[in-house]
Amino acid sequence: DGGITQSPKYLFRKEGQNVTLSCEQNLNHDAMYWYRQDPGQGLRLIYYSQIVNDFQKGDIAEGYSVSREKKESFPLTVTSAQKNPTAFYLCASSIGEYNEQFFGPGTRLTVL
Amino acid sequence: EDQVTQSPEALRLQEGESSSLNCSYTVSGLRGLFWYRQDPGKGPEFLFTLYSAGEEKEKERLKATLTKKESFLHITAPKPEDSATYLCAVRNSGYALNFGKGTSLLVTP
Repeated sequence: DGGITQSPKYLFRKEGQNVTLSCEQNLNHDAMYWYRQDPGQGLRLIYYSQIVNDFQKGDIAEGYSVSREKKESFPLTVTSAQKNPTAFYLCASSIGEYNEQFFGPGTRLTVL
Repeated sequence: EDQVTQSPEALRLQEGESSSLNCSYTVSGLRGLFWYRQDPGKGPEFLFTLYSAGEEKEKERLKATLTKKESFLHITAPKPEDSATYLCAVRNSGYALNFGKGTSLLVTP
């Protein structure tokens, strides 16, 4: 089955810790994205990548970092510099940057 | 600045009671309007892409339409399994999708 997987589904972090969220796709899509979803707000773009070894900041990149070493993988690190990291994180991919985006199941991060 | 406004915020329908959800947008150079369905605790599921005014797309009980200022998602004879949050997003000349806050739909038996 082709699709996007995210792990873990739930993640708990202590203040001051960095955590990495996994996103893998087997759709052979070139573009990948990370969004953050908070209650009562629309999805907001954190980072996106059009091709391997290249990525750009979205609207709310501060306190986050990414890498794109393989076409299939686009991990997101939430650093201790992110002041309010508790949220639902969604990874997406698309064939090209102008095509529809398909989303993974999400990771819910809670800072204790 | 691009804006996407969805209305109503929440909608409750009886099973079989048809209605429409609205997505109003302001964008400089629309390059796609997207509809998604999201169930609680899950990622959004892609429904439709519309590119130009007058375009319509259908899928089962859902029909999406587009004008120069807004899009409607018409739900005909909804069933309880249609209950979800419906998200609208627009793209201008850039890479990013600009999402609205969504309409939460509840269909009761």
